[in-house]
Amino acid sequence: EAQVTQNPRYLITVTGKKLTVTCSQNMNHEYMSWYRQDPGLGLRQIYYSMNVEVTDKGDVPEGYKVSRKEKRNFPLILESPSPNQTSLYFCASHTGTGGVDTQYFGPGTRLTVL
Amino acid sequence: AQKITQTQPGMFVQEKEAVTLDCTYDTSDPSYGLFWYKQPSSGEMIFLIYQGSYDQQNATEGRYSLNFQKARKSANLVISASQLGDSAMYFCAMDQGAQKLVFGQGTRLTINP
Repeated sequence: EAQVTQNPRYLITVTGKKLTVTCSQNMNHEYMSWYRQDPGLGLRQIYYSMNVEVTDKGDVPEGYKVSRKEKRNFPLILESPSPNQTSLYFCASHTGTGGVDTQYFGPGTRLTVL
Repeated sequence: AQKITQTQPGMFVQEKEAVTLDCTYDTSDPSYGLFWYKQPSSGEMIFLIYQGSYDQQNATEGRYSLNFQKARKSANLVISASQLGDSAMYFCAMDQGAQKLVFGQGTRLTINP
């Protein structure tokens, strides 16, 4: 079954404690992205990757890091989380070929930073 | 830069009625794709329908259709014969190259029995 998995699904942490949200896809997709969803703002892209070792900033990259060492994995790293990073996070992947190039979304990670 | 606008923060509809969710977009690219996603209360993003800018016909997927008016830059989602299970948040989105989707603010649809 084609899918994008994220872990953890829920996380409550404290300011400054480093955390990693993992993302994995089994569709051999070139492109992967991280989005955050906030009320009234929709989803905004944090970072994206076009292939292994190729990443670039999205619209709201401050406070986040990513890496793409393997094609299937694209972890999101918060080195020093702050309360304004409390949000719902989605990982997504797609082929990048255009047309009905549907982005497949993971189930989401609800992060609360106290 | 691309922009998506959904002007209806919330909508309330009686079960079995048709509902139209509005979406307008702004882009200078001649080639683009428009998407609608459904987000139920459980939180996952469910792809509903896609319309390419060069597609001659409006896209349809079961009870979902996309009313694409290119000159007006609108891509409204029409749900026919609404059901209680249609209650959810709905997002309109547009691709910006291959790198990302640009999303609207969303419309929360509530179907009343």
